[in-house]
Amino acid sequence: DTGVSQNPRHKITKRGQNVTFRCDPISEHNRLYWYRQTLGQGPEFLTYFQNEAQLEKSRLLSDRFSAERPKGSFSTLEIQRTEQGDSAMYLCASRRDTGELFFGEGSRLTVL
Amino acid sequence: DQQVKQNSPSLSVQEGRISILNCDYTNSMFDYFLWYKKYPAEGPTFLISISSIKDKNEDGRFTVFLNKSAKHLSLHIVPSQPGDSAVYFCAASAGTSGSRLTFGEGTQLTVNP
Repeated sequence: DTGVSQNPRHKITKRGQNVTFRCDPISEHNRLYWYRQTLGQGPEFLTYFQNEAQLEKSRLLSDRFSAERPKGSFSTLEIQRTEQGDSAMYLCASRRDTGELFFGEGSRLTVL
Repeated sequence: DQQVKQNSPSLSVQEGRISILNCDYTNSMFDYFLWYKKYPAEGPTFLISISSIKDKNEDGRFTVFLNKSAKHLSLHIVPSQPGDSAVYFCAASAGTSGSRLTFGEGTQLTVNP
């Protein structure tokens, strides 16, 4: 399977715990994006990388959120001190310099 | 502010008929528009796109129309099939190089056999 891969698919955690999601993009794609989707809404942009450089961050990305793409390949999204409002589907997508985004299946976070 | 808006949360059509999904945008800098389809428990899947230099793009049963003066685009599916039942998202970007996509809220399409 050469699509975008995300792990874990579902994470249940208690409020205050830290969680980390991983995204493996399509190998030849240099651009990687993180989005968040809540029920009844479309995906909302969080941040984007070109290779290892984080070029844009949404104001939705509070200081509890951090994303990395250390070698320009896979990326991680960490949420510290989770809150119930963080419960959502976290989507990763990748693409070449232009064209459509290819999305992974998402990582669903449930904060109890 | 909601720069991309899909005003119909749901749409129901009969198999074989045409489905028309609508999308409005407010940002005049948007120049590239896409439609994505999403099944439950899966990520969005790209369907079709259109650049602002065109007013129509067709791919099989799917056609996207762009009306720049009205800041409106629509997706036509004809004939509709039960397998088309999914949530459809409209998305837009400003500039083609690395720009984020801004998504609408989605429309749930149900195609009845």
